[in-house]
Amino acid sequence: AQTVTQSQPEMSVQEAETVTLSCTYDTSESDYYLFWYKQPPSRQMILVIRQEAYKQQNATENRFSVNFQKAAKSFSLKISDSQLGDAAMYFCASLTSGGGADGLTFGKGTHLIIQP
Amino acid sequence: AAGVIQSPRHLIKEKRETATLKCYPIPRHDTVYWYQQGPGQDPQFLISFYEKMQSDKGSIPDRFSAQQFSDYHSELNMSSLELGDSALYFCASSYFTDTQYFGPGTRLTVL
Repeated sequence: AQTVTQSQPEMSVQEAETVTLSCTYDTSESDYYLFWYKQPPSRQMILVIRQEAYKQQNATENRFSVNFQKAAKSFSLKISDSQLGDAAMYFCASLTSGGGADGLTFGKGTHLIIQP
Repeated sequence: AAGVIQSPRHLIKEKRETATLKCYPIPRHDTVYWYQQGPGQDPQFLISFYEKMQSDKGSIPDRFSAQQFSDYHSELNMSSLELGDSALYFCASSYFTDTQYFGPGTRLTVL
């Protein structure tokens, strides 16, 4: 079984500043994926970034980047130049790649507030 | 780009009634997943289908059933509805077991 832990229920950042959201996970699998999803007030689940566990290079998508520390089982999300539209609930999620269509395991989420 | 389509977007039912939620995956996606998100909670995986066969099962109540049809759309059938079934139900799709893309969700309210 997998577990995902987000220890920050809420974070606040000034517009244009940088913020880092924390996530730790536990899995017995050797091959897996990690994701960050964003859920704005519309409640739509939007993929932010994805990381394959076998890749050492940290994933980057424009202003979003991750710090993947496999040995520490840590997967934090850094948002640079924060914008008002980044305000949302952010969920960290894990997925095994065992060949079946497995469901995602989510953390409890971090509510990100952007201060203008 | 085409996204996952879910219908209806909102549904209101009485206790003990039955509800059917529909999901149309992104074109060429062959795998469908169902999730339930209660108020203030993270999404919980219910069930998934790959190539019309059930693939994985999560915390889906016995009162719920689902299937994937030949055109890859999926339906989640919920019977004997309870107040606690009120939630946002997401469908997600992927090509094989690649990244899951979520639909807008169906908000179910049980009165």
